[in-house]
Amino acid sequence: GAVVSQHPSWVICKSGTSVKIECRSLDFQATTMFWYRQFPKQSLMLMATSNEGSKATYEQGVEKDKFLINHASLTLSTLTVTSAHPEDSSFYICSAQSDRENSPLHFGNGTRLTVT
Amino acid sequence: GQNIDQPTEMTATEGAIVQINCTYQTSGFNGLFWYQQHAGEAPTFLSYNVLDGLEEKGRFSSFLSRSKGYSYLLLKELQMKDSASYLCASHTGGGNKLTFGTGTQLKVEL
Repeated sequence: GAVVSQHPSWVICKSGTSVKIECRSLDFQATTMFWYRQFPKQSLMLMATSNEGSKATYEQGVEKDKFLINHASLTLSTLTVTSAHPEDSSFYICSAQSDRENSPLHFGNGTRLTVT
Repeated sequence: GQNIDQPTEMTATEGAIVQINCTYQTSGFNGLFWYQQHAGEAPTFLSYNVLDGLEEKGRFSSFLSRSKGYSYLLLKELQMKDSASYLCASHTGGGNKLTFGTGTQLKVEL
């Protein structure tokens, strides 16, 4: 089945630094990938839609200059949290879908970000 | 806007049957996903309903009524490992955008 790999699984960084999270589709090409954020005991909130070869589409309230998304190839999207602050600590999850009709979104294993 | 409601918590007994309901009010509705999420892990796909009716897949079944904006996930022969959060998500629009409910935390007891 479709596999999405996300790296790193967890990261601890100091306030003010930047963190890059990678999302790869391993056995299929994904023209579109999605980035979600999940706070404890809350639902997954869509942050942005990453489109290969073009700019990402951000959801309302998500700062595009803070959460930089790059989708340089059909199998890789990256999310960079710039100048991270403690309130950015969360579980970040990427997802991707193959081109098959009605195929489900497959999720990466998520990245637990802790900003100290 | 998109609005999805599901119970916050449920408790059931090992070997029993449990039904997790989900109601939605969305525009541009295409279908309804159910995902399972264990604590600290990413969601895993369970089912996707586009047409009205019940779809059975092993111990798990999912039902959809588009006219009522209602879906449920039915888990049979519950096992301890089924303790997890179950997320319903509406699939809307021309892209693959999903809107998730808050999830139902299911606890399976002996």
